[in-house]
Amino acid sequence: DTEVTQTPKHLVMGMTNKKSLKCEQHMGHRAMYWYKQKAKKPPELMFVYSYEKLSINESVPSRFSPECPNSSLLNLHLHALQPEDSALYLCASSPLYGPWGYTFGSGTRLTVV
Amino acid sequence: ELKVEQNPLFLSMQEGKNYTIYCNYSTTSDRLYWYRQDPGKSLESLFVLLSNGAVKQEGRLMASLDTKARLSTLHITAAVHDLSATYFCAVDIDTDKLIFGTGTRLQVFP
Repeated sequence: DTEVTQTPKHLVMGMTNKKSLKCEQHMGHRAMYWYKQKAKKPPELMFVYSYEKLSINESVPSRFSPECPNSSLLNLHLHALQPEDSALYLCASSPLYGPWGYTFGSGTRLTVV
Repeated sequence: ELKVEQNPLFLSMQEGKNYTIYCNYSTTSDRLYWYRQDPGKSLESLFVLLSNGAVKQEGRLMASLDTKARLSTLHITAAVHDLSATYFCAVDIDTDKLIFGTGTRLQVFP
């Protein structure tokens, strides 16, 4: 299995809702990432988990809460989002070392209404 | 602050022509990646460049890395319409932080 699987593919949520994005990989990669991409912009790093521990938080607002239950799973819990949080959310994984680089999931298109 | 800049931001080119996209970055790194993104889609990995002087080619695309100049190039040979997409370079910082360039939107017309 050489894929990163993200669910759901599309999500519409109200500003008072709580929802979660899920990401799964079975490549044995030791690092997992959340990126946010607005239209016509490059992906922006949000969080990095290395060996299941949060290693980087790029000053992301607390209404985004990441969780890494095990080495294969990464969640992003969403609460009290704003319309400007509407974006494509990309999950990625990497082995950290070696020549194989990063693998990205297909993304979740989030719309906050 | 790390900056990863691409040039040009937008490129409109005729089929059959050649062109080069440039990626400049402001910090030390010897790992650089190129990705392609179609509208509304995720990122497709094109090239992984792991050392100074690395050159990789796939079809009409060739990428190179000069870590001393902090410069990578993506050369397009004899462009075809199917290459129309947005291309991003991304710099690997400390092996656990991937920072993307500004992106180059490529449009190939007949």
